[in-house]
Amino acid sequence: AQKVTQAQTEISVVEKEDVTLDCVYETRDTTYYLFWYKQPPSGELVFLIRRNSFDEQNEISGRYSWNFQKSTSSFNFTITASQVVDSAVYFCALSEAGANSKLTFGKGITLSVRP
Amino acid sequence: NAGVTQTPKFQVLKTGQSMTLQCAQDMNHEYMSWYRQDPGMGLRLIHYSVGAGITDQGEVPNGYNVSRSTTEDFPLRLLSAAPSQTSVYFCASSPQGISNQPQHFGDGTRLSIL
Repeated sequence: AQKVTQAQTEISVVEKEDVTLDCVYETRDTTYYLFWYKQPPSGELVFLIRRNSFDEQNEISGRYSWNFQKSTSSFNFTITASQVVDSAVYFCALSEAGANSKLTFGKGITLSVRP
Repeated sequence: NAGVTQTPKFQVLKTGQSMTLQCAQDMNHEYMSWYRQDPGMGLRLIHYSVGAGITDQGEVPNGYNVSRSTTEDFPLRLLSAAPSQTSVYFCASSPQGISNQPQHFGDGTRLSIL
């Protein structure tokens, strides 16, 4: 069975600080996909990134970066120079390969960025 | 392009009432799913469908029914609402399966059962 653990429940930082959101996953498959979604206070779910299990390259998109390490089953998300607009709930999710695969979410991390 | 449309956005029911949450997508996506979001629990999969005429259970299916008669629509039915079903419900779709495709989410339905 697949599982996603986001041990941090709430994080509060001051604007311009860097912050890392942790995600640890469990799966028996060798082919799987990892995702991060953002849920701002308005409530919608916004897709941020997808990573497959064969691509361990780190990814950077502006102030966002992701560190995928299969050795530790982690897919961590770092926001550099955080801004108030980054305040949201962030979900890490996992799906295994296959047409009937399901997406399993972690419980989410509430990030508050104070001005 | 509307994407994934959920109706209603808000609903209050009394215990024992039935209702249908509607979900429609205009992207010709094969895969559709329903999640519920509860505080501290993340999103949990209720039911999903890999195509018209095919549905399957997710993690928390009890108390909910679904059907998929068309590619576009995937309604979620509560046959006899219970207070434990108070939640925010999200419908999502993706082109083919969800293993390597990000899901497109609707804006959610906030449901309260009294």
